[in-house]
Amino acid sequence: GAVVSQHPSWVICKSGTSVKIECRSLDFQATTMFWYRQFPKQSLMLMATSNEGSKATYEQGVEKDKFLINHASLTLSTLTVTSAHPEDSSFYICSARDSKTGANSPLHFGNGTRLTVT
Amino acid sequence: GNSVTQMEGPVTLSEEAFLTINCTYTATGYPSLFWYVQYPGEGLQLLLKATKADDKGSNKGFEATYRKETTSFHLEKGSVQVSDSAVYFCALWMDSSYKLIFGSGTRLLVRP
Repeated sequence: GAVVSQHPSWVICKSGTSVKIECRSLDFQATTMFWYRQFPKQSLMLMATSNEGSKATYEQGVEKDKFLINHASLTLSTLTVTSAHPEDSSFYICSARDSKTGANSPLHFGNGTRLTVT
Repeated sequence: GNSVTQMEGPVTLSEEAFLTINCTYTATGYPSLFWYVQYPGEGLQLLLKATKADDKGSNKGFEATYRKETTSFHLEKGSVQVSDSAVYFCALWMDSSYKLIFGSGTRLLVRP
């Protein structure tokens, strides 16, 4: 089945540093990937839609300059949390849809990245 | 706008009990509906889906029927196991918005 690989699975960084999270579709191509953020015991909030070869579309309230998204190829999207602060600590999850399947095909999710900013 | 409402958890059941997790949705069109499951410390796995009214999705003993008249997609399982303990998310997808919208999630705890 379709596999989405997310790396790293967890990261601890110091306040003020930047962290890059990778999301790869291993056996399919994805023109669009989605980045979610999940707070403890809460649902997933869509942060942005990542489009291959173009700018990401951010949801209202998400800082574009803080959460940089790059989708340089059909199998890779990256999320960079710039100048991280403790309030950025969260569980970040990416997802992707196979570009070759129909509109009703499900999204495939990575296993998430636990970010802790100290 | 489009939204999904799930029953609040946690839901605590004994092994082999019957499970129902309620999910209702609000949508301006005809969404596709999904149930995802999240085990501790992991991402989401698709459990089942339904793309049109009266469709029944099923997988691993779980079932859900797309009810347009009641705008519902309740998750059911006849006999739960300890290994079913997880958080379950109901979600809808609208082609018009190209977004997957999640409910708040329901934590299920099954005791032996």
